[in-house]
Amino acid sequence: SYVLTQPPSVSVAPGQTARIICGGNNIGSYTVHWYQQKPGQAPILVVHDDSDRPSGIPERFSGSHSGNTATLIISRVEAGDEADYYCQVWDGVGNHCLFGGGTKLTVL
Amino acid sequence: EERLVESGGGLVQPGASLRLSCAASGFTFKNYIMTWVRQAPGKGLEWSSYISISSSTIFYADSVQGRFTVARDNAKNSLFLLMNSLRVDDTAIYYCARMRSGHSISSYYFDLWGRGTLVTVSS
Repeated sequence: SYVLTQPPSVSVAPGQTARIICGGNNIGSYTVHWYQQKPGQAPILVVHDDSDRPSGIPERFSGSHSGNTATLIISRVEAGDEADYYCQVWDGVGNHCLFGGGTKLTVL
Repeated sequence: EERLVESGGGLVQPGASLRLSCAASGFTFKNYIMTWVRQAPGKGLEWSSYISISSSTIFYADSVQGRFTVARDNAKNSLFLLMNSLRVDDTAIYYCARMRSGHSISSYYFDLWGRGTLVTVSS
């Protein structure tokens, strides 16, 4: 079955740029969405359709998608960005949703 | 304010059944596809079910197919998940979420989530 792969953890200093990668075979065939989940809270959507940002999400959050990799980019990282981040696609052939395993972002 | 509020979780024994509910408010529930996503303690997100606006199209993850049934009552702005033959590995927080169509065909994402309800399956 199709698998989305994320690094378990990413660390970045405040003010720097964090890049969280989501990989998968032929991921270029899918549209990728990203969620942020802080401890004890429900996930929230931070990027949809590879690079679109929902209203209320800071411009510091952006996304890119090229080849077999999708990337969530968080610019000027703040302490409040520390959270787990998940990528997600919808498999229209199998009619089911897939999440990546999640990446824990640590702000040093 | 748009809200989703889950209820019905609790502690049950393996093999038991449980019915979860999700109450929607602040938006036109009948216009949206809905879904259930679960998260085992300390683990990642796992999608479990999809129900179309009219309930005519329903999909399940392989892990719950044949044991879980998703339903909705548009008149009552409510989503349900009937879980039968519960197993220890069904232990999780269960979130209901609103689905939106992406820019491309067969692309969906979840733009509104409830706070979840905890289901614990243990003897």
